Amino acid sequence: GAVVSQHPSWVICKSGTSVKIECRSLDFQATTMFWYRQFPKQSLMLMATSNEGSKATYEQGVEKDKFLINHASLTLSTLTVTSAHPEDSSFYICSARDLGLAGGWQETQYFGPGTRLLVL
Amino acid sequence: AQSVTQPDIHITVSEGASLELRCNYSYGATPYLFWYVQSPGQGLQLLLKYFSGDTLVQGIKGFEAEFKRSQSSFNLRKPSVHWSDAAEYFCAVGAGLTGGGNKLTFGTGTQLKVEL
Repeated sequence: GAVVSQHPSWVICKSGTSVKIECRSLDFQATTMFWYRQFPKQSLMLMATSNEGSKATYEQGVEKDKFLINHASLTLSTLTVTSAHPEDSSFYICSARDLGLAGGWQETQYFGPGTRLLVL
Repeated sequence: AQSVTQPDIHITVSEGASLELRCNYSYGATPYLFWYVQSPGQGLQLLLKYFSGDTLVQGIKGFEAEFKRSQSSFNLRKPSVHWSDAAEYFCAVGAGLTGGGNKLTFGTGTQLKVEL
């Protein structure tokens, strides 16, 4: 259980285009999903917290208009990189919070396999 | 603010040898601690987690970790390493009323190489 998928796994696009990345929780409902960015040989940096039915919460320094997040259902969150530029090339990973049977302290984040974005 | 330190950027061990990956955290209250493993080009897989209770936590793939409050540490161990364990290992701390479901802060990771 607790499987999270991402689509696509790889995307190459031209500078100036927009790219949408999907994150799905396959066997559980996720009221909250998280989007991370990982540069080569570096750790994960949280970009934003996506809450179902409400606006995403962005971390300091992350451009809201650049990285659009939509969490339209309990199993799907999308990240759209608008007007992508080469500096947006990175590995984007989502995670979904599984409330678990007891909720509260049982919560754990499960991660998707990541999406590698290359902007030419 | 919470933080995580993984002092070892790279570790090389021989297959069959024991392994210990270090993790130190900084957090003002009871932390929620995690170890994740990442294979090249892949997402993160949860190895184990600590929320409360027994300070020695068993995880998947034969890994265990021990929470030591006095040392602010949560070191990951494995008695006998297999070649397939070669990967990047991340320690993370979660906070907030909802524990690990809240924001996670990750360490910089430890790259494990296994020599055959």
